[in-house]
Amino acid sequence: QVQLQESGPGLVKPSGTLSLTCGVSGGSISSSNWWSWVRQPPGKGLEWIGEIYHTGSTNYNPSLKSRVTISVDKSKNQFSLKLSSVTAADTAAYYCARVKGAMDVWGQGTTVTVSS
Amino acid sequence: DIQMTQSPSTLSASVGDRVTITCRASQSIGRWLAWYQQKPGKAPKLLIYQASSLESGVPSRFSGSGSGTEFTLTISSLQPDDFATYSCQQYNNYSWTFGQGTKVEIK
Repeated sequence: QVQLQESGPGLVKPSGTLSLTCGVSGGSISSSNWWSWVRQPPGKGLEWIGEIYHTGSTNYNPSLKSRVTISVDKSKNQFSLKLSSVTAADTAAYYCARVKGAMDVWGQGTTVTVSS
Repeated sequence: DIQMTQSPSTLSASVGDRVTITCRASQSIGRWLAWYQQKPGKAPKLLIYQASSLESGVPSRFSGSGSGTEFTLTISSLQPDDFATYSCQQYNNYSWTFGQGTKVEIK
């Protein structure tokens, strides 16, 4: 079955760019699904960041849209998140997920801390 | 943007209790509503999609209902493994929004 795995730096400096990758195994990123990023600040609820289709079409959370870029690399069967101009408020657990009606498969998550 | 409001924020219950969590949308979303269970340090797990469809492998004690702006998640007989946080999620106009979560704790 499909499995997702997030990877990337666990520490990012303020004003820098957060970069994460989600590797897809057990299935093709070119299947008829969207692929999403979701985050969860410590002790808070879940926040959708954005999603991408294998064609490169994207949808973003309006509150983050100016700082977010999601891209897909079909050759590596992975998709990526870039969040620019980060502050301490961007400290969170970041999850990638497959969207098949709802978010039915999730990665284990990776914690990113924004600190100097 | 559509806002999702869950109630209660915290719920204290005992094993065997029937538990109901409510999620209200700020405008009609049809049946584009999902429910997730999350335990500390873990990723969310999909329980219910399209308001009332049970995800494969999820116990039948979980059920969902509702449409439009008001939805409920019911656990018919709470089990020890069910103590967790539950979040609703809507999809509308190319955007997803989560509720703030309901923590189900041991009474």
